[in-house]
Amino acid sequence: DAGVIQSPRHEVTEMGQEVTLRCKPISGHNSLFWYRQTMMRGLELLIYFNNNVPIDDSGMPEDRFSAKMPNASFSTLKIQPSEPRDSAVYFCASSTASGYGYTFGSGTRLTVV
Amino acid sequence: GIQVEQSPPDLILQEGANSTLRCNFSDSVNNLQWFHQNPWGQLINLFYIPSGTKQNGRLSATTVATERYSLLYISSSQTTDSGVYFCAVERANTGKLIFGQGTTLQVKP
Repeated sequence: DAGVIQSPRHEVTEMGQEVTLRCKPISGHNSLFWYRQTMMRGLELLIYFNNNVPIDDSGMPEDRFSAKMPNASFSTLKIQPSEPRDSAVYFCASSTASGYGYTFGSGTRLTVV
Repeated sequence: GIQVEQSPPDLILQEGANSTLRCNFSDSVNNLQWFHQNPWGQLINLFYIPSGTKQNGRLSATTVATERYSLLYISSSQTTDSGVYFCAVERANTGKLIFGQGTTLQVKP
């Protein structure tokens, strides 16, 4: 398996633009997680899905952020409109239902100017 | 929510030295994992260890769930061990893995 695949690896965008981050989890994993990492706040869980259903989105900072998982092999995190304070590394991770095999993708480094 | 505290926050070692990293958590958990974030930012799962002891090469981990702590041992450290070590816990059946702030390790040649 190629592991958790995220795209793009780097994204630079202007304030106000829409940004879409993509994630392909490991086949057979039924839990998917989106995290944001910054120096100030560390690793924050934004949202997680179980069997493609959003279970807890309490970490999503505000309405500008939305996430979808239309099928077991694909998820997106969208920011619209983006702001400079959204600059961070966004990680996607997947695991089995028990939490075993928790695997992170390589992350997307987002810079909003 | 559950609190996860890691110590020390920073650690500098000479190559070949041993070290122990600690993770304390404030509530009972059914899932505890250790991760290493290398200098290139990649997060690697080291151990899934809700209880007991596991070893993988020069690394080993012990979790004492009843006393709410876990330890990560690094023996004969190498420069490639440098990076940030995270402990992460999940309360029973919440599905949410909550990360500590990490221990930043620098191993000098």
